[in-house]
Amino acid sequence: NAGVTQTPKFQVLKTGQSMTLQCAQDMNHNSMYWYRQDPGMGLRLIYYSASEGTTDKGEVPNGYNVSRLNKREFSLRLESAAPSQTSVYFCASRTTGGLGEQYFGPGTRLTVT
Amino acid sequence: QKEVEQDPGPLSVPEGAIVSLNCTYSNSAFQYFMWYRQYSRKGPELLMYTYSSGNKEDGRFTAQVDKSSKYISLFIRDSQPSDSATYLCAMNSPLSGGYQKVTFGTGTKLQVIP
Repeated sequence: NAGVTQTPKFQVLKTGQSMTLQCAQDMNHNSMYWYRQDPGMGLRLIYYSASEGTTDKGEVPNGYNVSRLNKREFSLRLESAAPSQTSVYFCASRTTGGLGEQYFGPGTRLTVT
Repeated sequence: QKEVEQDPGPLSVPEGAIVSLNCTYSNSAFQYFMWYRQYSRKGPELLMYTYSSGNKEDGRFTAQVDKSSKYISLFIRDSQPSDSATYLCAMNSPLSGGYQKVTFGTGTKLQVIP
């Protein structure tokens, strides 16, 4: 099993450009998450999808959109990138109930100039 | 006030030392208490979890929870250079519909010097 995979690993954008970060999991998990991680701020939840067909805003959703394409895939879109969106983005997944352990992908390092 | 507070460090210790990492929290609804380890340029991975007050041991690692003080700790005995990483505490609270919210601490960066 590959676990949680993310593409791309690195990306540099100019202000105003758009892009989509892709995430896929092969663990048959119901829930998927997008976080951003910034120095001193920790992991902050952008959006999550509790199950296929549903998405909800997290702590910092402004400037982002998401699509839960199917049970395996959850994408994050930046419509008009801003320097404040320079960050490391992590996708995670978990099964419903119980401990709630989240499995994280390797991250995407995004720089917006 | 943040729901979870964690000292960011960095913490630098010699090999073989005992390391103590700590978090405090304010939300009494937290049920599960977890520690994630994150190596440089990698995603976090679950290291240990517990859901009751007291200690839980796994090899060189001990997780401790004191619900009355809203304080959790992770102890690492005989620390190794391979333990050098950022350690994040995390806590679950229930939401409606059976779903759960996970709140992460900001992480403590640990360096174990050979």
